[in-house]
Amino acid sequence: GEDVEQSLFLSVREGDSSVINCTYTDSSSTYLYWYKQEPGAGLQLLTYIFSNMDMKQDQRLTVLLNKKDKHLSLRIADTQTGDSAIYFCAVLMDSNYQLIWGAGTKLIIKP
Amino acid sequence: GAVVSQHPSRVICKSGTSVKIECRSLDFQATTMFWYRQFPKQSLMLMATSNEGSKATYEQGVEKDKFLINHASLTLSTLTVTSAHPEDSSFYICSAMDSSNQPQHFGDGTRLSIL
Repeated sequence: GEDVEQSLFLSVREGDSSVINCTYTDSSSTYLYWYKQEPGAGLQLLTYIFSNMDMKQDQRLTVLLNKKDKHLSLRIADTQTGDSAIYFCAVLMDSNYQLIWGAGTKLIIKP
Repeated sequence: GAVVSQHPSRVICKSGTSVKIECRSLDFQATTMFWYRQFPKQSLMLMATSNEGSKATYEQGVEKDKFLINHASLTLSTLTVTSAHPEDSSFYICSAMDSSNQPQHFGDGTRLSIL
């Protein structure tokens, strides 16, 4: 079945850019999402990209999609301590409209 | 690994009835549970956060009288859709966290269809 993979941890210095990567297997997915989970809180939709786009930018966030390699990335510019969270990649299955989730990447900010 | 069981997986009922969905953590104590709704072809939306023994915190735009959430024990939270109407038809997903807050485990979801 569909599989979505992410590395479990990413450590960056405050002020640097963070790049969180995600790979998936279902090439027919139309929507791909990034969710953020802060400590003790539920998931919040951060941004999403349609499969016919290569890039989407929203303030400090840039999403890149490489459909050929089935690779999705989230770049956070000028990373701040408030960006500390777990970031989940999720892919929408076109066959049944269910979301398939990655395990989440914990972003650790070093001062 | 930790498992969250959600029941029922699918329910079809008539307009006007109330539907209860259960979310259970099977091998850990879930101090916090979350309820999400997924609209067709759209992503997950957080509806509410519930902490064991206290009232749920609802997200803006979610009617608390419509979607009753009870988190009476450390292993069970329930979502009751009261007087359901066709527009309430959706996919509802719960998740649970223990006191360490890591990680969040998801149920398999409940597909609710109101005729």
